[in-house]
Amino acid sequence: DQQVKQNSPSLSVQEGRISILNCDYTNSMFDYFLWYKKYPAEGPTFLISISSIKDKNEDGRFTVFLNKSAKHLSLHIVPSQPGDSAVYFCAASGNAGNMLTFGGGTRLMVKP
Amino acid sequence: ETGVTQSPTHLIKTRGQQVTLRCSSQSGHNTVSWYQQALGQGPQFIFQYYREEENGRGNFPPRFSGLQFPNYSSELNVNALELDDSALYLCASSLDLGGYEQYFGPGTRLTVT
Repeated sequence: DQQVKQNSPSLSVQEGRISILNCDYTNSMFDYFLWYKKYPAEGPTFLISISSIKDKNEDGRFTVFLNKSAKHLSLHIVPSQPGDSAVYFCAASGNAGNMLTFGGGTRLMVKP
Repeated sequence: ETGVTQSPTHLIKTRGQQVTLRCSSQSGHNTVSWYQQALGQGPQFIFQYYREEENGRGNFPPRFSGLQFPNYSSELNVNALELDDSALYLCASSLDLGGYEQYFGPGTRLTVT
């Protein structure tokens, strides 16, 4: 039972354009959502988060949108840069603490 | 401020053996969580320790056990290794139970043959 799903295993985008990564969840008890970026041979790096009381959070080039009714969140990267090429994981946490449930990841490739 | 470190980087074990993986959390972080990441999948929660007590556990059998020490270090022990235990094992520390941002180490790649 996959509670957090990232349906696109990969995404290719041209440098300077927008990258949109999507994530769906099924557990309505989740109240905090995070995006992590992972380079090969490194652990996941925290990128941005959003609480369920908000529908948008911005940090520089990164914006996360949350649609609670659709149980859907997305990460927008504008403008995309070649250094953004990595695997992106969305993760969710509920009121049981900060144990994270991860999606399967989306590999983003930004072409120069 | 040092980040989260893990040792060893790589490890090869034989089925049936036991293994201990180590993690050093960021200073001041009271919570450590362990995750298993199989190839091509997202990390899966194994268990979490808060102030040296187990605070929650994912869907992993009892042969997966852990310890957390007062000096911000922790261990993951796996007994009776199986081939399916081959994975990247990640530890993550956070400031407290309410601190949702978890900071991950680079992981230990375990191969069971």
